[in-house]
Amino acid sequence: ILNVEQSPQSLHVQEGDSTNFTCSFPSSNFYALHWYRWETAKSPEALFVMTLNGDEKKKGRISATLNTKEGYSYLYIKGSQPEDSATYLCASVIKAAGNKLTFGGGTRVLVKP
Amino acid sequence: EAQVTQNPRYLITVTGKKLTVTCSQNMNHEYMSWYRQDPGLGLRQIYYSMNVEVTDKGDVPEGYKVSRKEKRNFPLILESPSPNQTSLYFCASSPHPGQVIAFFGQGTRLTVV
Repeated sequence: ILNVEQSPQSLHVQEGDSTNFTCSFPSSNFYALHWYRWETAKSPEALFVMTLNGDEKKKGRISATLNTKEGYSYLYIKGSQPEDSATYLCASVIKAAGNKLTFGGGTRVLVKP
Repeated sequence: EAQVTQNPRYLITVTGKKLTVTCSQNMNHEYMSWYRQDPGLGLRQIYYSMNVEVTDKGDVPEGYKVSRKEKRNFPLILESPSPNQTSLYFCASSPHPGQVIAFFGQGTRLTVV
């Protein structure tokens, strides 16, 4: 089983501040890296799928970078707002039967007004 | 509206009483999967299906069954539930696995007493 790790497990951010957190994944046989945003009592919602080393993706105030050679991805939130409070999940996909997503434990972000 | 629908959302049952959690998607996706979410462990894949009548085990399949008789439906069956299957369950679908985003249902919180 792949070991996908996210750090920190939780994060408190003041409204207006920017923040970032990490997803580490095995770099061998890399196929894709997913980021999802999950609010309690709702469905996880896709943010990005990244496939190429050096990829940078942006959606509003949220952006992500990918380093497949060293096996990490950063998610950035610029000017955090209370509505950014959620758990952010990353998932690694390797080239293997099923191409399944292996999730990290998530980073729980709480933005304080 | 594109969606993945799970039922029920909440269920409390007793040990040994067979139950089925339904999952239906309206996007004509070939790939569907089931996950369980437990605190600190992230989402772990139970079973997945690449297409109709094609299913395979994920990382934690013990105690579960699935079927894929139609493309849109992928029910999760617990023949004899036990307390260690108390968890939050998610169904997901995507056109094909790996490099495209997955769409998740809203989750089913199951308690086995």
